[in-house]
Amino acid sequence: DAGVIQSPRHEVTEMGQEVTLRCKPISGHDYLFWYRQTMMRGLELLIYFNNNVPIDDSGMPEDRFSAKMPNASFSTLKIQPSEPRDSAVYFCASSLALANEQFFGPGTRLTVL
Amino acid sequence: AQSVTQLDSQVPVFEEAPVELRCNYSSSVSVYLFWYVQYPNQGLQLLLKYLSGSTLVKGINGFEAEFNKSQTSFHLRKPSVHISDTAEYFCAVSDRDDTDKLIFGTGTRLQVFP
Repeated sequence: DAGVIQSPRHEVTEMGQEVTLRCKPISGHDYLFWYRQTMMRGLELLIYFNNNVPIDDSGMPEDRFSAKMPNASFSTLKIQPSEPRDSAVYFCASSLALANEQFFGPGTRLTVL
Repeated sequence: AQSVTQLDSQVPVFEEAPVELRCNYSSSVSVYLFWYVQYPNQGLQLLLKYLSGSTLVKGINGFEAEFNKSQTSFHLRKPSVHISDTAEYFCAVSDRDDTDKLIFGTGTRLQVFP
């Protein structure tokens, strides 16, 4: 298996623009997680899905952030409109079960100017 | 709610010296414990995990950790570090008596000097 795949690896955009981050989890994994990592706040869980259904989105910072999982092999995290404080590395991870080890993607480094 | 504490934000050591990275979690009867490593500009990779059984867990790259239930700790150790071990290390806990959700610590940056 190729592991968790994320795209793009790097994204530079201007404030106010819409940003879409993409993730393909490991086949057969029922759980998908979106994290944000910054120097100031460390690793934060934004939202996670079980069998394509959002279970806990309490970590989503505000309404500008939304996440979808239309099928078992694809998820998106969208920021609209983006702001400079959204600059961070966004990770996607997947796992077989909630308590099991999570497999992380390489991350998307987002810079909002 | 479960919480994870990594007291040391940075640990500097010389090459070939032993190292211990500390991790403590909130008291709980049943937990799964994990250590992850993050190399620069990469995602997190699993180093080792404790689910049950022997309290001494061996992982990749010569690392090991010991689950101490009475002290609610899961410290990571390596007897002799290499320059290539320079990375960020995260401890994570899943509380089987609560939500099962994986809770990550704030990370410890291990810097190995020649």
